Amino acid sequence: AQRVTQPEKLLSVFKGAPVELKCNYSYSGSPELFWYVQYSRQRLQLLLRHISRESIKGFTADLNKGETSFHLKKPFAQEEDSAMYYCALSGVTGGGNKLTFGTGTQLKVEL
Amino acid sequence: DSGVTQTPKHLITATGQRVTLRCSPRSGDLSVYWYQQSLDQGLQFLIQYYNGEERAKGNILERFSAQQFPDLHSELNLSSLELGDSALYFCASSVGPGTNQPQHFGDGTRLSIL
Repeated sequence: AQRVTQPEKLLSVFKGAPVELKCNYSYSGSPELFWYVQYSRQRLQLLLRHISRESIKGFTADLNKGETSFHLKKPFAQEEDSAMYYCALSGVTGGGNKLTFGTGTQLKVEL
Repeated sequence: DSGVTQTPKHLITATGQRVTLRCSPRSGDLSVYWYQQSLDQGLQFLIQYYNGEERAKGNILERFSAQQFPDLHSELNLSSLELGDSALYFCASSVGPGTNQPQHFGDGTRLSIL
């Protein structure tokens, strides 16, 4: 079974403060993990994928297989970072694959 | 702009009715996925097609069906609609069917059942 856990429904930080959005996963195979961002219940935008190890909009995420985690981090939060963030695991199902999403964390950056 | 096009953006209809949601994948993408986003269930995978063939099924009700056409666009048909079907329906596409392929999402169709 595939499961993604995002323990925080809401994370409120001040502008300029560090941000860490937590994500833990459960998967028997080799995990492929992604972070998506959604502004005001609009389109889900791909933010990061673990395999690329790149930084987008200042965000980074490292896959820790020992802790089965894929936390999203940013050293200095900006107002425009306020959005809903979803961690997703891409896993095999049937003859294909699917994304299993966490419940999401609403990030609110306050001035 | 992700390159995935979904129509219509909004649909308002009544219980018992049938609707069709349409999705055009990004140019070059052969795999199409459908997801439902609701307040109580979150984001749930419905179904995947790859190059016209069904590849995987998730929590898709029997009242719902989908297909992918030779030009690779996909349609999701919802019938005998109930109040609980009100949700945002997203289509996503990827180049291939593998788990390492990032999925790119459309803007969604917001379905409201009155």
